[in-house]
Amino acid sequence: GENVEQHPSTLSVQEGDSAVIKCTYSDSASNYFPWYKQELGKRPQLIIDIRSNVGEKKDQRIAVTLNKTAKHFSLHITETQPEDSAVYFCAASRDSGNTPLVFGKGTRLSVIA
Amino acid sequence: ETGVTQTPRHLVMGMTNKKSLKCEQHLGHNAMYWYKQSAKKPLELMFVYNFKEQTENNSVPSRFSPECPNSSHLFLHLHTLQPEDSALYLCASSLGTGYYEQYFGPGTRLTVT
Repeated sequence: GENVEQHPSTLSVQEGDSAVIKCTYSDSASNYFPWYKQELGKRPQLIIDIRSNVGEKKDQRIAVTLNKTAKHFSLHITETQPEDSAVYFCAASRDSGNTPLVFGKGTRLSVIA
Repeated sequence: ETGVTQTPRHLVMGMTNKKSLKCEQHLGHNAMYWYKQSAKKPLELMFVYNFKEQTENNSVPSRFSPECPNSSHLFLHLHTLQPEDSALYLCASSLGTGYYEQYFGPGTRLTVT
């Protein structure tokens, strides 16, 4: 089955700097890669996703890149703000069959003002 | 934030008790999930139901028993739990499995004494 590794487990950045979180996956058939954000005391919510037919996707200050050959994908947050502080989870799955998302172990991002 | 609801929000139970967690989704989704969230394993998939049929049981001990009477409701029946089962139990739903966004409930904070 799929295995998703996520690094780093914790990340501290100064406000305004960029943050990068990296994930690797094992199942070469996986083709859907979402990122979820969980603020303290709140539920996880989808912030961005990418499918294997594209290499990069942007939404304002966040972007995700995918390298299918190397089986890794990354979340990039630019101009970080205190409200970006949260736990971020990457995940991977196939888009066919009854294959649920497999989540990484999360990265706790702290943006220091 | 009211698309997926969970009750109770907090539960304290002894190891010999029997209790149930309830999840309800008002989004017209077909897939529902139970996750366990703890410091050791931040998002651990337990069970998946798709169109009321269980499609995934992630090697969960039999002291956890899921029930999905229809696509809108999901229960997790608990009996003879152990202190290490103390965690946040999150329910989620999605239109289908695979590449669909999962919507999480607020969770039930369970403490086993």
